[in-house]
Amino acid sequence: AQSVSQHNHHVILSEAASLELGCNYSYGGTVNLFWYVQYPGQHLQLLLKYFSGDPLVKGIKGFEAEFIKSKFSFNLRKPSVQWSDTAEYFCAVNAPTSNTGKLIFGQGTTLQVKP
Amino acid sequence: DTAVSQTPKYLVTQMGNDKSIKCEQNLGHDTMYWYKQDSKKFLKIMFSYNNKELIINETVPNRFSPKSPDKAHLNLHINSLELGDSAVYFCASRRGQTYEQYFGPGTRLTVT
Repeated sequence: AQSVSQHNHHVILSEAASLELGCNYSYGGTVNLFWYVQYPGQHLQLLLKYFSGDPLVKGIKGFEAEFIKSKFSFNLRKPSVQWSDTAEYFCAVNAPTSNTGKLIFGQGTTLQVKP
Repeated sequence: DTAVSQTPKYLVTQMGNDKSIKCEQNLGHDTMYWYKQDSKKFLKIMFSYNNKELIINETVPNRFSPKSPDKAHLNLHINSLELGDSAVYFCASRRGQTYEQYFGPGTRLTVT
């Protein structure tokens, strides 16, 4: 069965610090990968996605992620965080062969950015 | 314009009651989903419909019953509510094979 693991449960950073959130998945086949963000009291929004091609993908608000197939990882990065990045971050995986679009989510990482 | 909307936003009810949550999307998508987010923020798929046909039915108590009257609507009915049903329920939709899902604002259900 597919699973997604996010290593950092709670991250606290100061503004302008660099961010890297880890995400590993377990699935032997082709996958589509996503990072979603949930700002306080809001719904999930897509930050970025990887389907195929260049393993380094760029998303909104200066976020990027790198797909490393050999490590089954899809880590999220941002060079300089802002207070407004305070949110929950979710990594998710989908196996396109299932054709249902079913997303398996990691347990989430709470990011707190101090001004 | 709201893409995926849910009603109600908040729902407080007592154990044993029956309640429904509604979801509508105006994106023209053909697949819709229900997810449950528990108190630890963990998100888990519950159901999915594609063009009114049930395609995902995870291990969910049969007190939960989804209904899709048309491809723009997916409702969730819950019978005999229990304390453990307290959670935030998110609806989402997706077009075809793009795999990107758009989420609604969530319904916070509190069972007392």
